[in-house]
Amino acid sequence: EVQLVESGGGLVQPGGSLRLSCAASGFTFSSYALSWVRRAPGKGLEWVSLISSRDGMIYYADSVRGRFTISRDNSKNTLYLQMNRLRAEDTAQYYCAKEIHYDSIGHAFNVWGPGTTVTVSS
Amino acid sequence: SYDLTQPPSVSVSPGQTATITCSGEKLGDKYISWYQQKPGQSPVLVIYQDIKRPSGIPERFSGSKSGNAAALTISGTQAMDEADYYCQAWDSNTHVFGTGTKVTVL
Repeated sequence: EVQLVESGGGLVQPGGSLRLSCAASGFTFSSYALSWVRRAPGKGLEWVSLISSRDGMIYYADSVRGRFTISRDNSKNTLYLQMNRLRAEDTAQYYCAKEIHYDSIGHAFNVWGPGTTVTVSS
Repeated sequence: SYDLTQPPSVSVSPGQTATITCSGEKLGDKYISWYQQKPGQSPVLVIYQDIKRPSGIPERFSGSKSGNAAALTISGTQAMDEADYYCQAWDSNTHVFGTGTKVTVL
């Protein structure tokens, strides 16, 4: 079964840091681009960042560029999101999501994890 | 930045057809995907590449596109289809989600 499971969420003060992880199984992890997507309370879905499968291309939403860093460890089948200088508006459920097509980006997300909750508050 | 606009809400009676629209500049040049998200659950892909349905998605879900507008149609809507729906496209190296539409089955 293809599966993504996020971890690492929690309560953090403004200005603090968190590192999210997403463990993957059931597919050839190194062959698919992955993204982080979030949904803040009362808001819609917001794409956060993408990392490609093999060539290391990385993209960020304007709202997180310079504060968040996406990375992947293909040997551990794990995706990461290092979040620094957190703000109240980063409070959200964070999902990792897999691109639908092999070695491709910019199409659709056909697998999503259950998400992990990040709360930024003093 | 690129924007995709959806109506905030759509109401439909059981068994009737619900249509959710998504508009944006040069939408005809992009592939559109649609996601369903129920409270407390992760999003589920229901349409990709404008009109394709992933395996396991009921045939009552269909996608279409014309000019700068795309649409998700739910035929014979069931109570279980009550959810938030989002369109999504790729523009300038970013994934963009629509503003979201809450579908209520009355």
